[in-house]
Amino acid sequence: QSVVTQEPSFSVSPGGTVTLTCALSSGSVSTSYYPSWYQQTPGQAPRTLIYSTNTRSSGVPDRFSGSILENKAALTITGAQADDESDYYCVLYMGSGIWVFGGGTKLTVL
Amino acid sequence: EVQLLESGGGLVQPGGSLRLSCAASGFTFSSYGMSWVRQAPGKGLEWVSGLSGSGISTDYADSVKGRFTISRDNSKNTLYLQMNSLRAEDTAVYYCAKRGGANQFDYWGQGTLVTVSS
Repeated sequence: QSVVTQEPSFSVSPGGTVTLTCALSSGSVSTSYYPSWYQQTPGQAPRTLIYSTNTRSSGVPDRFSGSILENKAALTITGAQADDESDYYCVLYMGSGIWVFGGGTKLTVL
Repeated sequence: EVQLLESGGGLVQPGGSLRLSCAASGFTFSSYGMSWVRQAPGKGLEWVSGLSGSGISTDYADSVKGRFTISRDNSKNTLYLQMNSLRAEDTAVYYCAKRGGANQFDYWGQGTLVTVSS
C-alpha cells in the first residue's frame, strides 16, 4: 500500500499562519484522492476539519482551509489560536474502499 | 444526533481472539459505509477495515488481512470487528467511524482499547 507522509511536527506563533502538508509516496495528490483532515487532542476521538480537499465540516472555523499545493494536500491555519495545538491527520481515499492515513503532525502554538 | 459507541475491548493473550462492537444511532445505519480505525499508544491513526452499507463489500489493510473480519447487523444497527490471531502490534484504541459524503469519516466513536499481552 502507498505511504502518506506528513511533517512530524510544526510550530506556529499565536496569530500566525501555518500550512501542513500531506504527500503520497506513489505520486501527486489530487482531488481524486478526496483528501480529508482530522484534528485530535490527547485522549479524544478525531474531529473532522476538512473533507473533499477544501470543504469545511460543520462548525469548523474559517481559519482552517484545505487545498492542493505543489502536488500535496495542504491544511492551512490562518490566525492560529492556542487551542489549535493538536495532532493533525490527513487521510487519502485510494479507491476500492481503501483509505491511508498520514503519520500525523503535532502542532505547537507558542 | 449521531452516536457511535464501541465496546468489547480488553486484555487478550497473543494468538487470542476478540470481537469488537459498535452500536450506532441517530442515522439510517444501513445507508452508510462504516470503518474501523485504530491508534496504537503514542502513534498515529491507521485505517483497518471498512464495509459498505449492505455489508456485501468489505476491505482490509494489509496489516490485518486474513486475521480480522468486519461485519454488520443492520437490524441491530451494529458494526463488528472479529479479531483473530492477535499480535502485540494490534494493541491500540479501536475507533468505529461512519463514512460520510465525499469519502470522509464524518462521525467517530470514543474508541475501545485492545491490549495484546501475555
